Amino acid sequence: NAGVTQTPKFQVLKTGQSMTLQCAQDMNHNSMYWYRQDPGMGLRLIYYSASEGTTDKGEVPNGYNVSRLNKREFSLRLESAAPSQTSVYFCASRTRDRDGYTFGSGTRLTVV
Amino acid sequence: KNEVEQSPQNLTAQEGEFITINCSYSVGISALHWLQQHPGGGIVSLFMLSSGKKKHGRLIATINIQEKHSSLHITASHPRDSAVYICAVSNTDKLIFGTGTRLQVFP
Repeated sequence: NAGVTQTPKFQVLKTGQSMTLQCAQDMNHNSMYWYRQDPGMGLRLIYYSASEGTTDKGEVPNGYNVSRLNKREFSLRLESAAPSQTSVYFCASRTRDRDGYTFGSGTRLTVV
Repeated sequence: KNEVEQSPQNLTAQEGEFITINCSYSVGISALHWLQQHPGGGIVSLFMLSSGKKKHGRLIATINIQEKHSSLHITASHPRDSAVYICAVSNTDKLIFGTGTRLQVFP
């Protein structure tokens, strides 16, 4: 089925470990986004990529890096995980500014 | 003050009731989005509005640009409508989210 695929769905890390969250879309969308969702707060933008080859910081980029590997894939890397990064992470994509967003199913990350 | 405010935060209803969720925003927008998130689930886009009203099945979304306000209505509510409903606004190339309204519909 067409859409946004995120892997893994669940992950537990120890403080200081690194990992990469993967996101791929098969809708030929230009823009891709990484958000985090924390209890009592709205989703917050970590990084986004308006097109292949470009990335920009969002509201909460500290502790994260991203790679727009090609038009389909946009990965989020935690170099040294911290308990404050325990959250649910969502990837999203869209074609143009006036188009709707398509979200992945989320990655639930716990850092202990 | 948050740029996108939703009310109420929590809502319970009996099956069949008419439900309204409100969203107010304080920034300039290119569009407003209503999203649905089931417990433990992903996020689904319900509507994207830049003016007027849209309807899909039992769901109706309206927006008043002058008043910077939108409403999401659910007619003949059903337990499967139980979810968190999130309002978000498009501002340049980014979305600004409200904190969501948790709806529970009981049989």
